[in-house]
Amino acid sequence: QKEVEQNSGPLSVPEGAIASLNCTYSDRGSQSFFWYRQYSGKSPELIMFIYSNGDKEDGRFTAQLNKASQYVSLLIRDSQPSDSATYLCAVNLLGNSGGSNYKLTFGKGTLLTVNP
Amino acid sequence: NAGVMQNPRHLVRRRGQEARLRCSPMKGHSHVYWYRQLPEEGLKFMVYLQKENIIDESGMPKERFSAEFPKEGPSILRIQQVVRGDSAAYFCASSPPSRGETQYFGPGTRLLVL
Repeated sequence: QKEVEQNSGPLSVPEGAIASLNCTYSDRGSQSFFWYRQYSGKSPELIMFIYSNGDKEDGRFTAQLNKASQYVSLLIRDSQPSDSATYLCAVNLLGNSGGSNYKLTFGKGTLLTVNP
Repeated sequence: NAGVMQNPRHLVRRRGQEARLRCSPMKGHSHVYWYRQLPEEGLKFMVYLQKENIIDESGMPKERFSAEFPKEGPSILRIQQVVRGDSAAYFCASSPPSRGETQYFGPGTRLLVL
């Protein structure tokens, strides 16, 4: 059973458009949700985190969380070619074994391409 | 403020050799995590450590892999008797004690086993 799922893409949008990235998770008790951006050959870079239902905005990025639907999304407004990367959704799943709740479970990522 | 540091950035080993990967967390961070990213795969949790303690190693393979985070010095991920399937990018992340799940990643070590 996959615990964090993302559409692998590629998702292609024109420059200036809104890119919408989606993620679902299996553990209803999960509390913390993260979006990372990973350029090819580079390490993941934390861009957003959200803990409460609703929207959280930071510049051109908006994270949306709906715990009832077990769904988290990332919107990128005014998309730029430099936004072209793989976007990783990560969830701190409660109920993992091992005595710790800090480890993150990642989806496989969505490849976003912004066309000039 | 320096970020998470990892070395070496690239490591080539022949089958049967040992690989040692090092990670120094961000200043003020006391939690260290190791993740592995295989080609075309997502990031997979391996182990979570605090100083001198392994908190969660549920993602570590049962054999050949070990990790430590000593009182002084960097965290070390050790892979003994490497096999070709160990070829991957190994990322270290660190987090502050107040928000353990908010993790910042280092540049990674790309391990290639010949």
